[in-house]
This record gives sequence, structure tokens and C-alpha cells, in this order.
Amino acid sequence: NAGVTQTPKFQVLKTGQSMTLQCAQDMNHEYMSWYRQDPGMGLRLIHYSVGAGITDQGEVPNGYNVSRSTTEDFPLRLLSAAPSQTSVYFCASSYSTVGLDTQYFGPGTRLTVL
Amino acid sequence: AQKVTQAQTEISVVEKEDVTLDCVYETRDTTYYLFWYKQPPSGELVFLIRRNSFDEQNEISGRYSWNFQKSTSSFNFTITASQVVDSAVYFCALSEPPSGAGSYQLTFGKGTKLSVIP
Repeated sequence: NAGVTQTPKFQVLKTGQSMTLQCAQDMNHEYMSWYRQDPGMGLRLIHYSVGAGITDQGEVPNGYNVSRSTTEDFPLRLLSAAPSQTSVYFCASSYSTVGLDTQYFGPGTRLTVL
Repeated sequence: AQKVTQAQTEISVVEKEDVTLDCVYETRDTTYYLFWYKQPPSGELVFLIRRNSFDEQNEISGRYSWNFQKSTSSFNFTITASQVVDSAVYFCALSEPPSGAGSYQLTFGKGTKLSVIP
């Protein structure tokens, strides 16, 4: 198993550009989520999904879109990047709802918005 | 108020010393889960432990031990005989049932950066 994979590892964008952060898992996990990590802030939940076709907002959803067309993939879209979205983004997955199971994290994507 | 408080922002210890990382949480639910994750300088997040609210037994795994006390809403993490490889940021996290529709969500503390000096 590759576990949770994320691409790209690094990305630099200009303000207003759009891009998609990719996340995939090969563990047949139902629950997937996106977090952002900012210095001194810990990790904050952006969006999550409890299965294909089902997504919901987390603590900091503004400026981000998600969709879940397959169990394996959970891409995160930035429609119009802003400097405030400079952060490290982590994708995670777990077999069932997070309270019942441990979330396993991908290696992260470091995004800089100029 | 923060749901998960890690009051120690940074700790430095000399190798072989014991060190305890504090975690205090806040929840109204009787069923919840607590986690510790390690983030070494390479940046990945490594799962260390999960504990449910009904299991107050302390746990030991090698040099790591966890002390869960519901009476004080604390879930502290102790590293015995610290090593340089323990240098990392450690996160405590709380998972509790949703207040309405939705799913459990994991709330992280801000982390404690541990530096072990050789």
C-alpha cells in the first residue's frame, strides 16, 4: 500500500491563479479530509468527506472547493489563490468516521501564494 | 476557548532526560477520542496513540507513556530517557461527536516543539 499520497509536494502560485491539490489513498478508506497547517496554529480542518459523493465543510472552508467522485481521490481546489492561503496542506484518511478510527496523513503540500 | 490546549509552546531537554508534554481538552460529550501525533523536522505527521473516553488506563509503549485523567481533562504524554530522534512537534487532538448533522471532526492543539539536545 502506498497509503495517502499528495501531489505536488511544493507549489508557488500568483494571486488569482487557480490550482488543484491532489490526494489519493489506496486503503479503501471512507473518510477523507483536508487540513491546513500554519505556524503556531496547529492543523485546521478545511473540508471532509465521509464517502464518495458526500462532502462537508470544516473549520476554514472559505476559498476552497472539494468533490469526491471516487473512494480513492479527494482533490482540493483553490479557485482564486490569495496570499492568506500560503500554508502547508495535509490530506488524511481513515476507514470510518474519525472518532472511531485513526486518521493517517499524507506527506503534505507546501503552497506559497505570491 | 480552545478545545485542545497545549500550553507548552517549546521545550528543550538534554538527552536522556524525561519530559512530559501537557494536553488539556474541553468537551461536553461523554464519548470522545484523544490522539497524539508527532511531526518530525521532515514534516510528515506520525500517529502515536488513540484513546477513547471510556478507557482511562495509562498506556506505555517503549519509552513513551500516556496519562489520561478525565477528572482534570488531561491527556499528557511522557517520553522517558529522551533521544535526539524525539525532537519534533507533538500535537494532541480531540475528536468528538458532531453537534448536529455531520461527522466527527478532529480538533488539534497548536503543538509543542520538543528539542532534545545531545
